[in-house]
Amino acid sequence: RKEVEQDPGPFNVPEGATVAFNCTYSNSASQSFFWYRQDCRKEPKLLMSVYSSGNEDGRFTAQLNRASQYISLLIRDSKLSDSATYLCVVLEYALNFGKGTSLLVTP
Amino acid sequence: GAGVSQSPSNKVTEKGKDVELRCDPISGHTALYWYRQSLGQGLEFLIYFQGNSAPDKSGLPSDRFSAERTGGSVSTLTIQRTQQEDSAVYLCASSPSRISGANVLTFGAGSRLTVL
Repeated sequence: RKEVEQDPGPFNVPEGATVAFNCTYSNSASQSFFWYRQDCRKEPKLLMSVYSSGNEDGRFTAQLNRASQYISLLIRDSKLSDSATYLCVVLEYALNFGKGTSLLVTP
Repeated sequence: GAGVSQSPSNKVTEKGKDVELRCDPISGHTALYWYRQSLGQGLEFLIYFQGNSAPDKSGLPSDRFSAERTGGSVSTLTIQRTQQEDSAVYLCASSPSRISGANVLTFGAGSRLTVL
């Protein structure tokens, strides 16, 4: 099974800060990419899909670089409620999850 | 149903016992996946069902693990002769069809298995 690698963190940032996570994947044939969010002791939930041209959803921006095989997630104006683990996900024949990057937003 | 339902939510068992975990996917979803997540680890793919096709069992860690899906709906994951390393949260997820850029997974709340 191909690998999806993420910096585990934790990233500790103050409210209002901008934070970015990167993720690399090894299977160059991968076609679909996602960011999921997982709160402590909860199931993962879709945050956003990642499109080739990059896409934005409110304070969240996702980018894909196929040549370098990495995906990024940028969170602007961090809120306390953004504290969670962010999972980079790559579609092969099943969804292949990274181990996640932990974010803690502090007052 | 409105979401993916899993039962039991928590299961504590003794080493060597068999356990069954159940997943009821969202109505009409043809794709069903089982993952497991050990403490502090990422999600590990176990098995994938798509409609009436033969399941993809490539992620099952040993022959003690098996799963079936009856009538294209409810799925049962069975772990025989449980070991302590089987302790994890077992997550079921479903999607309308095979995963693509548009179809994404919806997860159940998971079954937390503890093997003593």
